[in-house]
Amino acid sequence: AQSVAQPEDQVNVAEGNPLTVKCTYSVSGNPYLFWYVQYPNRGLQFLLKYITGDNLVKGSYGFEAEFNKSQTSFHLKKPSALVSDSALYFCALWSGGYNKLIFGAGTRLAVHP
Amino acid sequence: SQTIHQWPATLVQPVGSPLSLECTVEGTSNPNLYWYRQAAGRGLQLLFYSVGIGQISSEVPQNLSASRPQDRQFILSSKKLLLSDSGFYLCAWMAARSYNEQFFGPGTRLTVL
Repeated sequence: AQSVAQPEDQVNVAEGNPLTVKCTYSVSGNPYLFWYVQYPNRGLQFLLKYITGDNLVKGSYGFEAEFNKSQTSFHLKKPSALVSDSALYFCALWSGGYNKLIFGAGTRLAVHP
Repeated sequence: SQTIHQWPATLVQPVGSPLSLECTVEGTSNPNLYWYRQAAGRGLQLLFYSVGIGQISSEVPQNLSASRPQDRQFILSSKKLLLSDSGFYLCAWMAARSYNEQFFGPGTRLTVL
Protein backbone atom coordinates (compact mmCIF):
# COMPACT_ATOMS: atom_id res chain seq x y z
CA ALA A 1 0.00 0.00 0.00
CA GLN A 2 1.13 3.53 -0.71
CA SER A 3 1.65 5.82 2.24
CA VAL A 4 3.44 8.93 3.43
CA ALA A 5 4.68 9.53 6.95
CA GLN A 6 5.79 12.75 8.59
CA PRO A 7 7.16 11.54 11.91
CA GLU A 8 7.34 14.93 13.62
CA ASP A 9 4.26 16.88 14.64
CA GLN A 10 6.35 19.97 15.23
CA VAL A 11 9.87 21.13 14.49
CA ASN A 12 11.42 24.05 16.36
CA VAL A 13 14.36 25.93 14.88
CA ALA A 14 16.18 29.13 15.73
CA GLU A 15 16.26 31.77 13.05
CA GLY A 16 19.40 31.48 10.93
CA ASN A 17 19.87 27.78 11.69
CA PRO A 18 19.36 25.06 9.09
CA LEU A 19 16.03 23.28 9.14
CA THR A 20 14.91 19.80 8.16
CA VAL A 21 11.35 18.53 7.95
CA LYS A 22 11.22 14.77 7.55
CA CYS A 23 9.13 12.66 5.20
CA THR A 24 9.23 8.95 4.44
CA TYR A 25 7.16 7.09 1.90
CA SER A 26 6.08 3.64 0.84
CA VAL A 27 5.23 2.84 -2.78
CA SER A 28 5.54 -0.18 -5.03
CA GLY A 29 6.65 1.67 -8.16
CA ASN A 30 8.52 4.88 -8.85
CA PRO A 31 7.82 7.55 -6.27
CA TYR A 32 6.63 10.99 -7.33
CA LEU A 33 6.92 13.24 -4.31
CA PHE A 34 5.81 16.76 -3.44
CA TRP A 35 6.16 19.34 -0.68
CA TYR A 36 3.56 21.96 0.14
CA VAL A 37 3.40 24.77 2.69
CA GLN A 38 0.30 26.19 4.35
CA TYR A 39 0.09 29.49 6.18
CA PRO A 40 -2.77 30.07 8.65
CA ASN A 41 -6.21 30.19 7.04
CA ARG A 42 -4.74 29.86 3.56
CA GLY A 43 -4.66 27.21 0.88
CA LEU A 44 -1.63 25.00 0.34
CA GLN A 45 1.22 26.36 -1.77
CA PHE A 46 3.36 24.07 -3.89
CA LEU A 47 7.07 24.19 -2.97
CA LEU A 48 8.78 21.50 -5.03
CA LYS A 49 8.52 18.04 -6.49
CA TYR A 50 10.67 15.04 -7.32
CA ILE A 51 9.79 13.09 -10.43
CA THR A 52 13.11 11.77 -11.67
CA GLY A 53 16.72 12.87 -12.08
CA ASP A 54 18.84 14.73 -9.55
CA ASN A 55 18.21 13.62 -5.99
CA LEU A 56 18.47 17.20 -4.73
CA VAL A 57 15.46 19.21 -5.81
CA LYS A 58 15.37 22.99 -5.45
CA GLY A 59 12.10 24.81 -4.94
CA SER A 60 10.49 28.05 -3.91
CA TYR A 61 11.57 30.38 -1.07
CA GLY A 62 15.03 28.80 -0.79
CA PHE A 63 13.74 25.34 0.10
CA GLU A 64 15.21 22.14 -1.25
CA ALA A 65 14.52 18.46 -0.72
CA GLU A 66 16.72 15.42 -0.86
CA PHE A 67 15.35 12.23 -2.34
CA ASN A 68 16.90 9.08 -0.90
CA LYS A 69 15.66 5.89 -2.50
CA SER A 70 17.45 3.49 -0.15
CA GLN A 71 15.96 5.18 2.90
CA THR A 72 12.63 5.91 1.17
CA SER A 73 12.84 9.48 2.35
CA PHE A 74 12.24 12.92 0.92
CA HIS A 75 13.28 15.42 3.58
CA LEU A 76 12.68 19.14 3.15
CA LYS A 77 15.61 21.40 3.97
CA LYS A 78 16.64 25.01 4.10
CA PRO A 79 20.15 26.24 4.95
CA SER A 80 19.03 29.24 7.01
CA ALA A 81 15.55 29.45 8.53
CA LEU A 82 13.49 32.62 8.65
CA VAL A 83 10.75 33.47 11.13
CA SER A 84 8.46 33.82 8.12
CA ASP A 85 9.04 30.12 7.31
CA SER A 86 6.86 29.25 10.30
CA ALA A 87 3.94 27.32 8.82
CA LEU A 88 2.46 23.86 8.31
CA TYR A 89 4.34 21.66 5.85
CA PHE A 90 2.90 18.70 3.97
CA CYS A 91 4.67 15.94 2.11
CA ALA A 92 2.66 14.15 -0.58
CA LEU A 93 3.01 11.10 -2.82
CA TRP A 94 1.39 10.65 -6.22
CA SER A 95 -0.92 7.65 -6.07
CA GLY A 96 -0.25 6.33 -9.55
CA GLY A 97 -3.35 5.39 -11.47
CA TYR A 98 -5.76 6.83 -8.93
CA ASN A 99 -5.39 10.49 -9.99
CA LYS A 100 -4.77 11.77 -6.49
CA LEU A 101 -2.11 12.74 -4.00
CA ILE A 102 -1.58 10.97 -0.71
CA PHE A 103 -0.72 13.57 1.94
CA GLY A 104 1.19 13.15 5.15
CA ALA A 105 -0.31 14.40 8.39
CA GLY A 106 1.69 17.62 8.28
CA THR A 107 4.54 19.05 10.34
CA ARG A 108 4.30 22.40 12.02
CA LEU A 109 7.51 24.38 11.72
CA ALA A 110 8.16 27.07 14.30
CA VAL A 111 11.14 29.35 13.70
CA HIS A 112 12.07 31.40 16.75
CA PRO A 113 13.88 34.76 16.61
CA SER B 1 -1.85 31.95 -16.01
CA GLN B 2 -4.19 29.72 -14.09
CA THR B 3 -6.17 30.82 -11.06
CA ILE B 4 -8.57 29.03 -8.76
CA HIS B 5 -11.41 30.69 -6.89
CA GLN B 6 -13.47 29.52 -3.97
CA TRP B 7 -16.44 31.16 -2.35
CA PRO B 8 -17.56 32.05 0.12
CA ALA B 9 -14.41 32.58 2.18
CA THR B 10 -16.26 32.01 5.44
CA LEU B 11 -19.65 30.58 6.24
CA VAL B 12 -21.61 30.04 9.43
CA GLN B 13 -24.60 27.73 9.06
CA PRO B 14 -27.07 26.13 11.48
CA VAL B 15 -27.29 22.38 11.85
CA GLY B 16 -29.72 20.93 9.34
CA SER B 17 -29.33 23.71 6.78
CA PRO B 18 -28.17 23.08 3.19
CA LEU B 19 -24.70 23.85 1.88
CA SER B 20 -23.26 24.86 -1.45
CA LEU B 21 -19.58 25.70 -1.90
CA GLU B 22 -18.28 26.64 -5.31
CA CYS B 23 -14.89 26.32 -6.91
CA THR B 24 -13.92 27.59 -10.35
CA VAL B 25 -10.67 27.43 -12.26
CA GLU B 26 -9.49 29.84 -14.93
CA GLY B 27 -6.79 29.53 -17.56
CA THR B 28 -6.85 25.79 -18.12
CA SER B 29 -9.12 23.20 -19.65
CA ASN B 30 -10.09 19.67 -18.63
CA PRO B 31 -8.42 19.86 -15.22
CA ASN B 32 -8.73 17.23 -12.53
CA LEU B 33 -10.59 18.82 -9.62
CA TYR B 34 -10.48 17.93 -5.92
CA TRP B 35 -12.32 18.76 -2.70
CA TYR B 36 -10.48 18.37 0.61
CA ARG B 37 -11.50 19.02 4.19
CA GLN B 38 -9.03 20.05 6.85
CA ALA B 39 -9.99 19.83 10.51
CA ALA B 40 -8.23 21.71 13.30
CA GLY B 41 -5.48 23.02 11.04
CA ARG B 42 -3.90 19.66 10.45
CA GLY B 43 -4.30 16.80 8.05
CA LEU B 44 -6.12 16.87 4.74
CA GLN B 45 -8.96 14.51 3.99
CA LEU B 46 -9.77 13.99 0.32
CA LEU B 47 -13.53 14.10 -0.09
CA PHE B 48 -14.17 13.98 -3.83
CA TYR B 49 -12.33 14.24 -7.09
CA SER B 50 -13.34 14.58 -10.70
CA VAL B 51 -11.51 13.87 -13.95
CA GLY B 52 -14.26 15.29 -16.18
CA ILE B 53 -17.72 16.80 -16.42
CA GLY B 54 -20.23 14.70 -14.52
CA GLN B 55 -17.53 12.29 -13.28
CA ILE B 56 -17.27 12.25 -9.50
CA SER B 57 -15.30 9.87 -7.31
CA SER B 58 -16.16 9.81 -3.62
CA GLU B 59 -13.43 8.93 -1.18
CA VAL B 60 -15.41 8.56 2.03
CA PRO B 61 -19.10 8.00 2.73
CA GLN B 62 -20.50 11.10 4.35
CA ASN B 63 -23.10 13.78 4.46
CA LEU B 64 -21.69 15.63 1.46
CA SER B 65 -21.93 15.35 -2.32
CA ALA B 66 -20.11 16.92 -5.23
CA SER B 67 -21.00 17.88 -8.77
CA ARG B 68 -19.15 19.12 -11.82
CA PRO B 69 -21.66 20.78 -14.09
CA GLN B 70 -19.03 22.50 -16.23
CA ASP B 71 -15.43 21.75 -17.13
CA ARG B 72 -13.94 24.25 -14.68
CA GLN B 73 -16.61 24.30 -11.99
CA PHE B 74 -16.74 22.02 -8.97
CA ILE B 75 -19.49 22.25 -6.34
CA LEU B 76 -19.64 20.74 -2.87
CA SER B 77 -23.12 20.34 -1.39
CA SER B 78 -25.07 19.02 1.51
CA LYS B 79 -28.81 18.75 2.05
CA LYS B 80 -28.54 18.89 5.86
CA LEU B 81 -25.39 19.99 7.64
CA LEU B 82 -24.08 18.23 10.74
CA LEU B 83 -21.88 19.71 13.45
CA SER B 84 -19.11 17.40 12.25
CA ASP B 85 -19.14 19.09 8.83
CA SER B 86 -17.35 22.10 10.30
CA GLY B 87 -13.88 22.61 8.91
CA PHE B 88 -11.72 24.26 6.30
CA TYR B 89 -12.68 23.18 2.79
CA LEU B 90 -10.09 23.35 0.06
CA CYS B 91 -10.53 22.96 -3.67
CA ALA B 92 -7.60 22.05 -5.87
CA TRP B 93 -6.93 21.52 -9.54
CA MET B 94 -4.31 19.58 -11.42
CA ALA B 95 -3.43 19.31 -15.08
CA ALA B 96 -4.86 16.05 -16.35
CA ARG B 97 -1.61 14.12 -16.60
CA SER B 98 0.17 11.91 -14.15
CA TYR B 99 2.31 13.31 -11.33
CA ASN B 100 1.60 16.96 -11.85
CA GLU B 101 1.37 19.15 -8.80
CA GLN B 102 -2.01 20.24 -7.48
CA PHE B 103 -2.82 23.91 -7.03
CA PHE B 104 -5.07 24.91 -4.18
CA GLY B 105 -7.69 27.57 -3.76
CA PRO B 106 -7.84 29.94 -0.78
CA GLY B 107 -10.33 27.75 1.10
CA THR B 108 -13.71 28.17 2.79
CA ARG B 109 -14.01 28.16 6.57
CA LEU B 110 -17.31 26.48 7.46
CA THR B 111 -18.70 26.61 10.97
CA VAL B 112 -21.84 24.63 11.72
CA LEU B 113 -23.62 25.71 14.90
